[in-house]
Amino acid sequence: AQSVTQPDIHITVSEGASLELRCNYSYGATPYLFWYVQSPGQGLQLLLKYFSGDTLVQGIKGFEAEFKRSQSSFNLRKPSVHWSDAAEYFCAVGEETGRRALTFGSGTRLQVQP
Amino acid sequence: GAGVSQSPSNKVTEKGKDVELRCDPISGHTALYWYRQSLGQGLEFLIYFQGNSAPDKSGLPSDRFSAERTGGSVSTLTIQRTQQEDSAVYLCASRPDGNEQFFGPGTRLTVL
Repeated sequence: AQSVTQPDIHITVSEGASLELRCNYSYGATPYLFWYVQSPGQGLQLLLKYFSGDTLVQGIKGFEAEFKRSQSSFNLRKPSVHWSDAAEYFCAVGEETGRRALTFGSGTRLQVQP
Repeated sequence: GAGVSQSPSNKVTEKGKDVELRCDPISGHTALYWYRQSLGQGLEFLIYFQGNSAPDKSGLPSDRFSAERTGGSVSTLTIQRTQQEDSAVYLCASRPDGNEQFFGPGTRLTVL
């Protein structure tokens, strides 16, 4: 069965600092990988996705993520964090075929200090 | 264009009552999903509809949960005889051909 691990429950960074959120997955075939962001009281917004091709993917709001098959990782990065980035971030793996349901990690809550 | 909408946004109910949660997917999206987000369990898949095919109910936690999708569009998730452990945010998502799901804002259910 597929699974996603986000080892950091909570991260605090200063505004302007760089950010890396970790994600490790377990999946038998080529994974479809996603990062979503959830602001308080809001639904999930897709930041970026990886299906195939270039292992460095660019997303919205200045985020990027790198797929590393050898490490089963899909870490999310941002070079300079803004106060508005404070939110909860979810990594997810999607089934390649069939129902294509998402399996989510437990999330990382990001706090941004002024 | 319009996104996925869900109603109500908040629902407070008493233990033992039935509740219905509604999802309006993006027009033309053939696939529809329900997920549950709770403190103890995180985000978990509940049920999947694809066109007119029989739904995949493998994620439903108990037989008190059911869902239907009428006309390949609107979906209703019904929870009978609600329990306190049903308190959660219920998220609906729809998907066109491809792999990207689009999420609604969710319904926050509180069972007293």
